Amino acid sequence: SAVISQKPSRDICQRGTSLTIQCQVDSQVTMMFWYRQQPGQSLTLIATANQGSEATYESGFVIDKFPISRPNLTFSTLTVSNMSPEDSSIYLCSVDEAGEHEQFFGPGTRLTVL
Amino acid sequence: GEDVEQSLFLSVREGDSSVINCTYTDSSSTYLYWYKQEPGAGLQLLTYIFSNMDMKQDQRLTVLLNKKDKHLSLRIADTQTGDSAIYFCAEIPRAGNKLTFGGGTRVLVKP
Repeated sequence: SAVISQKPSRDICQRGTSLTIQCQVDSQVTMMFWYRQQPGQSLTLIATANQGSEATYESGFVIDKFPISRPNLTFSTLTVSNMSPEDSSIYLCSVDEAGEHEQFFGPGTRLTVL
Repeated sequence: GEDVEQSLFLSVREGDSSVINCTYTDSSSTYLYWYKQEPGAGLQLLTYIFSNMDMKQDQRLTVLLNKKDKHLSLRIADTQTGDSAIYFCAEIPRAGNKLTFGGGTRVLVKP
């Protein structure tokens, strides 16, 4: 299975600032996704990161708040913009290796907004 | 839309079997998954089952799928303290690859 790393692993940020989270995969993958896990909650899909084109966002998530880049088949970033305490969550990237029907997750980035 | 439900909590004695249950509403689900999340960690894919199967066994793990009742279960044999974690079931509909997760079941294994 693909090995996925995320940076930073955790951060504490001030209200109104932005944070960019990186996701790196050790192999080329077709699909990359970004999820949010609010405290004590399950995971919610934010968007699908498409290589070479704009990300596809789920209902309730918008590009201005969560801009995503996918410059190649092994890397993606998620920015959490103009943060508020309600953005405090774990943000996880995941990958789906083509045809494998298995989705693997990175270790997550634990974000606290003060 | 899709909906996946799980019970919140399960307590089990070390050495006993654990059974974690999950129900889903999307009849077009193709793949159903079980993930494990230990404290402070990401999600680990434990196993998955294709919707045309009714059982899958992998070492201590047994997945049962009742497609008629839209019910999925994960049985962990000889439960160990290291099995204490939150377990999420998830499904993917026929036309897509986006996971929909249940709320998670917190499993506590007592010595």
